[in-house]
Amino acid sequence: DTAVSQTPKYLVTQMGNDKSIKCEQNLGHDTMYWYKQDSKKFLKIMFSYNNKELIINETVPNRFSPKSPDKAHLNLHINSLELGDSAVYFCASSRWLGDRTEAFFGQGTRLTVV
Amino acid sequence: GQQLNQSPQSMFIQEGEDVSMNCTSSSIFNTWLWYKQDPGEGPVLLIALYKAGELTSNGRLTAQFGITRKDSFLNISASIPSDVGIYFCAGHSGGGADGLTFGKGTHLIIQP
Repeated sequence: DTAVSQTPKYLVTQMGNDKSIKCEQNLGHDTMYWYKQDSKKFLKIMFSYNNKELIINETVPNRFSPKSPDKAHLNLHINSLELGDSAVYFCASSRWLGDRTEAFFGQGTRLTVV
Repeated sequence: GQQLNQSPQSMFIQEGEDVSMNCTSSSIFNTWLWYKQDPGEGPVLLIALYKAGELTSNGRLTAQFGITRKDSFLNISASIPSDVGIYFCAGHSGGGADGLTFGKGTHLIIQP
């Protein structure tokens, strides 16, 4: 039983295309995230959703649009893909318990824009 | 924004050796988390720390939350081949929905 699952695992597409990545968590968590890992393995948060509401939107181009149909799902849609969008995108979820938080990550989607 | 300095960037060690890595921050965190990432996989949570001075173990792994709340270290004792991977520290300072700030990772390579 995968706690945080995202699809697809690999995505190769041409510049200018629009693509989506899907994420689902079965942990019952209230908060979900999208992180981007660049070629140097640096992980940086892109978006945070809490109970289907956007909480954090870091300096991400507006070509990236997250959508959360319910608490268990957070999808990432990317318009007009550019070469620089090539990276590994991770979905994560967490639950806030007073002063404690732990985040669990999906296996990642390796996006290659050609 | 907040920045985490993680060191060393990479480590080449012999099997059986002990490993130590650390993270320092320019600001205070309320939570420190340590993750391991294998090739082609997502980060997996190893240890979570919630109180300044806290020392927590998970098998051969031991991590501590620094007293100043601006640093943390992770030790691995008696390394084995499956310890190979990238280790990340991550800090959390805000409310429940705030994301994690990650260090740049420590690449651990074990020579047989």
